[in-house]
Amino acid sequence: EIVLTQSPGTLSLSPGERATLSCRASQSVSSSYLAWYQQKPGQAPRLLIYGASSRATGIPDRFSGSGSGTDFTLTISRLEPEDFAVYFCQQYGSSRTFGQGTKVEIK
Amino acid sequence: QVQLQESGPGLVKPSETLSLTCTVSGGSISSYYWTWIRQPPGKGLEWIGSIYYSGSTDYNPSLKSRVTISVDTSKNQFSLKLNSVTAADTAVYFCARHFKAMASFDYWGQGSLVTVSS
Repeated sequence: EIVLTQSPGTLSLSPGERATLSCRASQSVSSSYLAWYQQKPGQAPRLLIYGASSRATGIPDRFSGSGSGTDFTLTISRLEPEDFAVYFCQQYGSSRTFGQGTKVEIK
Repeated sequence: QVQLQESGPGLVKPSETLSLTCTVSGGSISSYYWTWIRQPPGKGLEWIGSIYYSGSTDYNPSLKSRVTISVDTSKNQFSLKLNSVTAADTAVYFCARHFKAMASFDYWGQGSLVTVSS
């Protein structure tokens, strides 16, 4: 099983700042089969990024994904108030597993 | 716009079977893959298993011995059965869609909380 480790656990930032979230895999994720989701309290996760770097439909361009192999990054260029949430990475190249999440909170 | 809605009992007794159904509206269940994911309160996400509209399945190895996922194309529904439940199975259960086997989950249901307790 591919284990995904996200860091940091919590990111405290102010609106307008840049957020950089990391997702590290225990083994290489084939064909960059990696996605990022945003989850707000009481809601289902929402797909942001698939294929490591492709934005899902309707996702603002302040969200970007990068990386390959075992190291992946989600960047939010300028935090908007609605971006404060929990973010999960997921790999779907070998079965399907999720990271434990990074909470982006208001500083 | 595709919508998914989970339904089923919110309370299940230990050792019994958890049963949930996901109803798909706004689109056909055909030609897609459908999945179940769960999230214990305050914790992360766990993939349970997936089914293609034709009926082929793929399960999380850690749950495979207890899980059955089935599909009813005539009703545009798919279902989850998890047997021999314990308190550790208490979670919000989500259904979701992916458009091919190796794909992310693009549409999700709102989730259904199932509590395992006597």
